[in-house]
Amino acid sequence: GAGVSQSPRYKVAKRGQDVALRCDPISGHVSLFWYQQALGQGPEFLTYFQNEAQLDKSGLPSDRFFAERPEGSVSTLKIQRTQQEDSAVYLCASSRQGDYSPLHFGNGTRLTVT
Amino acid sequence: SQQGEEDPQALSIQEGENATMNCSYKTSINNLQWYRQNSGRGLVHLILIRSNEREKHSGRLRVTLDTSKKSSSLLITASRAADTASYFCAPNAGNNRKLIWGLGTSLAVNP
Repeated sequence: GAGVSQSPRYKVAKRGQDVALRCDPISGHVSLFWYQQALGQGPEFLTYFQNEAQLDKSGLPSDRFFAERPEGSVSTLKIQRTQQEDSAVYLCASSRQGDYSPLHFGNGTRLTVT
Repeated sequence: SQQGEEDPQALSIQEGENATMNCSYKTSINNLQWYRQNSGRGLVHLILIRSNEREKHSGRLRVTLDTSKKSSSLLITASRAADTASYFCAPNAGNNRKLIWGLGTSLAVNP
């Protein structure tokens, strides 16, 4: 079966533009996570969904960041009025129900804000 | 916090040698997971060891867990150039949302 798919793979945005990053999790996976990863760092938690419910958004760095998963499958991470400090790789991961299941990651979207 | 700290930060070995990476953490855990990240890719789950297990094998990978010392190690035997990647540990105390990822160990296997 297909793994976690993220698109686009690369995105270049001018400062101030809005961007939308898409994640297609593994079919049937209840949990979905978004992470931000800077170069040379580990992933940093942004937000978590269980089905369509966003249960934790404590990692979102500002109110310019917004995530949704309206039907409990595909998720979109939106960044409004992008800033240079938003440049990073954005990783999506999904897992089966439960807090002990391994995470399955997509290859990420590399966002560069110029 | 559920944070794993990997050691060393960087490791360079020759093909065929063994590579050992260590992970320390601070809380009691339910399980500990190891992940690999190739350059420009997402993380890939390698192995999960439960808190009541001391050692687990998967192919050329061997993971040990010492809950009394709150540490784990990942051994890759007979390394290959394709093993070149960053390796992260993820101690799970029962909430995937609370995983805090360390900097990883950057492994370079030279042909």
